[in-house]
Amino acid sequence: DAGVTQSPTHLIKTRGQHVTLRCSPISGHKSVSWYQQVLGQGPQFIFQYYEKEERGRGNFPDRFSARQFPNYSSELNVNALLLGDSALYLCASSLRRTEAFFGQGTRLTVV
Amino acid sequence: GQSLEQPSEVTAVEGAIVQINCTYQTSGFYGLSWYQQHDGGAPTFLSYNALDGLEETGRFSSFLSRSDSYGYLLLQELQMKDSASYFCAVLYAGNMLTFGGGTRLMVKP
Repeated sequence: DAGVTQSPTHLIKTRGQHVTLRCSPISGHKSVSWYQQVLGQGPQFIFQYYEKEERGRGNFPDRFSARQFPNYSSELNVNALLLGDSALYLCASSLRRTEAFFGQGTRLTVV
Repeated sequence: GQSLEQPSEVTAVEGAIVQINCTYQTSGFYGLSWYQQHDGGAPTFLSYNALDGLEETGRFSSFLSRSDSYGYLLLQELQMKDSASYFCAVLYAGNMLTFGGGTRLMVKP
């Protein structure tokens, strides 16, 4: 069975640009969450979606937005990129809330 | 606010037992989870404690004491492949995981 897949794996963007990151959850998982992980730190929660509805939002500015599609895949959008947005962006899907399955992440570099 | 404290680094030898502690200053969470992350890899789920006490899964055990705001991950019979970062995380409503800063475990031969 395929795990959580994210695309692209790496991305370089310029300050001020916007970026769209994509995530496909494990088949049958209806919950998708997004996390930002800065090097050397733990992941920070950005959003959680369940059945296409936003169920949780972390402490991130409005430049960050997300959505979930009918097939439960998800997109994370970040507008007006800042240098500080450089990080590994992780997507996780879950069937039960007690166990999250993470993808390999998208490494975003803002220059 | 919410915060989880873990030691930044731990070193142990192959075959030994190591305990990684996690103290927290938060409440209203469902349970405490532990995740392993190898360099360049994705976090992978290790264990979850909803209730106080010990949960055992193979070589890994995890403990939670809500009254002491404390938990730990115990790794037995350490192997070289256990060298990784380990994160404790509390689970809140909305499937929100709040992670600690992580403990880098180095296993030496």
